[in-house]
Amino acid sequence: EDQVTQSPEALRLQEGESSSLNCSYTVSGLRGLFWYRQDPGKGPEFLFTLYSAGEEKEKERLKATLTKKESFLHITAPKPEDSATYLCAVQARMDSSYKLIFGSGTRLLVRP
Amino acid sequence: DTEVTQTPKHLVMGMTNKKSLKCEQHMGHRAMYWYKQKAKKPPELMFVYSYEKLSINESVPSRFSPECPNSSLLNLHLHALQPEDSALYLCASSQALGAGSEAFFGQGTRLTVV
Repeated sequence: EDQVTQSPEALRLQEGESSSLNCSYTVSGLRGLFWYRQDPGKGPEFLFTLYSAGEEKEKERLKATLTKKESFLHITAPKPEDSATYLCAVQARMDSSYKLIFGSGTRLLVRP
Repeated sequence: DTEVTQTPKHLVMGMTNKKSLKCEQHMGHRAMYWYKQKAKKPPELMFVYSYEKLSINESVPSRFSPECPNSSLLNLHLHALQPEDSALYLCASSQALGAGSEAFFGQGTRLTVV
């Protein structure tokens, strides 16, 4: 069964304290892994797409990496405005269509 | 421009009311989605449209009725909802219903059923 698991569930960091969020997945034939940021009461904001093991993408203080079993979202020197829930999703085949399967998310709090 | 616009932003409705949620995108995307999200939970897929045809219905109760009048618009008609249907309803679109096509989300409609 296709599954996405994110850890930790919640993470508290001091401003400037770098860390990583994990997304492990089991899916038959990965066709894309996506990272989103979601602020409370808002829709998810697209961050990155990763397609194959070894691929890396960067945006400001965020860097996403992908292996055959998991993805990491590295946050370097975070700021309070990076506080949000970070969602990982994989694209899975469903009959003749595709669907996104989301992990439960990591709630990140960055304290000044 | 990666904007998906949802209206209204907030909606309060009684269990006997009929209302509709609207979603619009002008990115030329041919796949559109409805998701439901409860507090502190990930989005749950409800419906997928591809080229204005329903592609996936995740066994959603018939009190939710989707409609895709054209490639830019997606509606969700609501009737006889229950309080447990209160949630954030998210619309998304992607270039196509295919491998690796990232989805862009709207800001959602916060629905409260009283």
